[in-house]
Amino acid sequence: IAGITQAPTSQILAAGRRMTLRCTQDMRHNAMYWYRQDLGLGLRLIHYSNTAGTTGKGEVPDGYSVSRANTDDFPLTLASAVPSQTSVYFCASGASGFSEQFFGPGTRLTVL
Amino acid sequence: AQTVTQSQPEMSVQEAETVTLSCTYDTSESDYYLFWYKQPPSRQMILVIRQEAYKQQNATENRFSVNFQKAAKSFSLKISDSQLGDAAMYFCAYSRRYGGATNKLIFGTGTLLAVQP
Repeated sequence: IAGITQAPTSQILAAGRRMTLRCTQDMRHNAMYWYRQDLGLGLRLIHYSNTAGTTGKGEVPDGYSVSRANTDDFPLTLASAVPSQTSVYFCASGASGFSEQFFGPGTRLTVL
Repeated sequence: AQTVTQSQPEMSVQEAETVTLSCTYDTSESDYYLFWYKQPPSRQMILVIRQEAYKQQNATENRFSVNFQKAAKSFSLKISDSQLGDAAMYFCAYSRRYGGATNKLIFGTGTLLAVQP
């Protein structure tokens, strides 16, 4: 089934630990995005990628890194998690030149 | 910088009635897209409706329609014949129209819609 998958679905993490959230799409979209959703703040862009091999910073990039080795995968890494990174994380993708973004099911991350 | 504002944190509507969710935005761009996304308790983000700024005609998708007022920078969502399944968080979002490059979304803070039976 075409779409975006994210793993894990949820995770509880100790502060200071490293964590990678996985995102894979099978729609061959060039552009991919990571957003975080916090109550009262909506969704905010963390990092994005226009195409494989390129990445860019969004609105709230501090504490996060991404890579885009191929078209399908766009992992988000927290090098040393802090409690303020407790959030729901959404990966999304979109075709170049088209406005619509398709979202994954999200990952709920709790940092204690 | 572009901003999106949803001033109604919560709304309630009776089943079968009509409800309007408000959204205003700020941009210096003339060409852009506006969206309404629905997020039910399942957490999945679902695109409800999209409006291209260059189109004067308001977008419509079945029971969902928008009132796009470009000069006023207003983009409200009207839900007609509300159903229990419409209960969700609704997000208004903005995207510049690059014509080939990345279309980053800017979201409002959301409106939680309750539907009363």
